[in-house]
Amino acid sequence: QVQLQESGPGLVKPSETLSLTCTVSGGSITTHYWNWIRQPPGKGLEWIGYIHHSGSSNYNPPLKSRVTMSVDTSKNQFSLKLSSATAADTAVYYCARWGETATIKLRAFDLWGQGTMVTVSS
Amino acid sequence: IVLTQSPGTLSLSPGERATLSCRASQSVSSTSLAWYQQKPGQPPRLLIYGTSSRATGISDRFSGSGSGTDFTLTISRLDPEDSGVYYCQQYVGPPLTFGGGTKLEIK
Repeated sequence: QVQLQESGPGLVKPSETLSLTCTVSGGSITTHYWNWIRQPPGKGLEWIGYIHHSGSSNYNPPLKSRVTMSVDTSKNQFSLKLSSATAADTAVYYCARWGETATIKLRAFDLWGQGTMVTVSS
Repeated sequence: IVLTQSPGTLSLSPGERATLSCRASQSVSSTSLAWYQQKPGQPPRLLIYGTSSRATGISDRFSGSGSGTDFTLTISRLDPEDSGVYYCQQYVGPPLTFGGGTKLEIK
């Protein structure tokens, strides 16, 4: 079955760029929209944005100026870059699949990675 | 759209029924409201999408209802395994938002 796995540095210095990759295994990255969601310790979920293999993307307005997402179809991976990181960006970062396709009306996140903790600290 | 969940914490006994509320600041299409369960150290798990459709493998003890700005997740015959935090989520259009969560304790 399709699985997602996040990877990237667990520690980022303030003002540097936080970079994460999500690897999609067991299925094609071209079938869905792919998302990043984060969760600060002890807090709720925040949607960061989505990317599609066509290049279409959309980011949450509070983060939009600092976020870049991309897709590498040859590696079946998509990535997140969050620039000018601060302590407020410390969180568990999840990659997740949006379930809706041209034929499936599932408007929710139906598949999640296990998450990766990123700490922003000097 | 802001989603407000209540109560913040719900403590119930096994076998009882839980009723979790999610109120939206604007009307949400019934196709665009979902519920997730999250346990400590785990990613959220999709329970309900489209207000009332159960995700694959989800017990029929979980049911969703509602329309407009008021939505409800009902869990019948509570089991200790139902403990966790429950989040509602909407996608009328970007930005997608989550509610703040309801913590369900089964004692």
